[in-house]
Amino acid sequence: DAGITQSPRYKITETGRQVTLMCHQTWSHSYMFWYRQDLGHGLRLIYYSAAADITDKGEVPDGYVVSRSKTENFPLTLESATRSQTSVYFCASSEISGNLPQYFGPGTRLLVL
Amino acid sequence: GESVGLHLPTLSVQEGDNSIINCAYSNSASDYFIWYKQESGKGPQFIIDIRSNMDKRQGQRVTVLLNKTVKHLSLQIAATQPGDSAVYFCAGSGTASKLTFGTGTRLQVTL
Repeated sequence: DAGITQSPRYKITETGRQVTLMCHQTWSHSYMFWYRQDLGHGLRLIYYSAAADITDKGEVPDGYVVSRSKTENFPLTLESATRSQTSVYFCASSEISGNLPQYFGPGTRLLVL
Repeated sequence: GESVGLHLPTLSVQEGDNSIINCAYSNSASDYFIWYKQESGKGPQFIIDIRSNMDKRQGQRVTVLLNKTVKHLSLQIAATQPGDSAVYFCAGSGTASKLTFGTGTRLQVTL
């Protein structure tokens, strides 16, 4: 049972390029989340989804787009990458209620040059 | 809004001793709290959680204490081992199924 996986694990891109980070979970969890982690800020919520085709903004959504056509997948797209989006990105999922443990993927380290 | 913070950025503990990591929160309406462990280069790993109708919850070598009066929770690790070296985060429930995370305390276990 793979749980929650993210790809790629490492990505280098250039300013202005479009980048998509993938997240896949095998638990059939309803909720999925995207966070970014930067020094001094902890984990900040970018977007989350309560179910397929239902998404909502988190704390720092600007510059990001998400979709959720299938329960198990929750891709995050940076439409035009900027240097300020250099970060470590974590995907997480939880069961029906949001106030239950969120289980995290291994993360994607993104460097925007 | 919700804010969750940790009192100390780094905690150094000798192997075999007990560790106590503290966390304060601001939102009285938070009814769920959770602790995570994050090792270098890995994603946060769930350790233990507690709901606001409880004061204490125990797991394997870990205990979480919740003091709603002063809006404080702590994570206690018994008989700390080198494998416990990591960054520990607390998080509290905010609005609409979202968690608010603290910035973390780095636990260093010395031999």
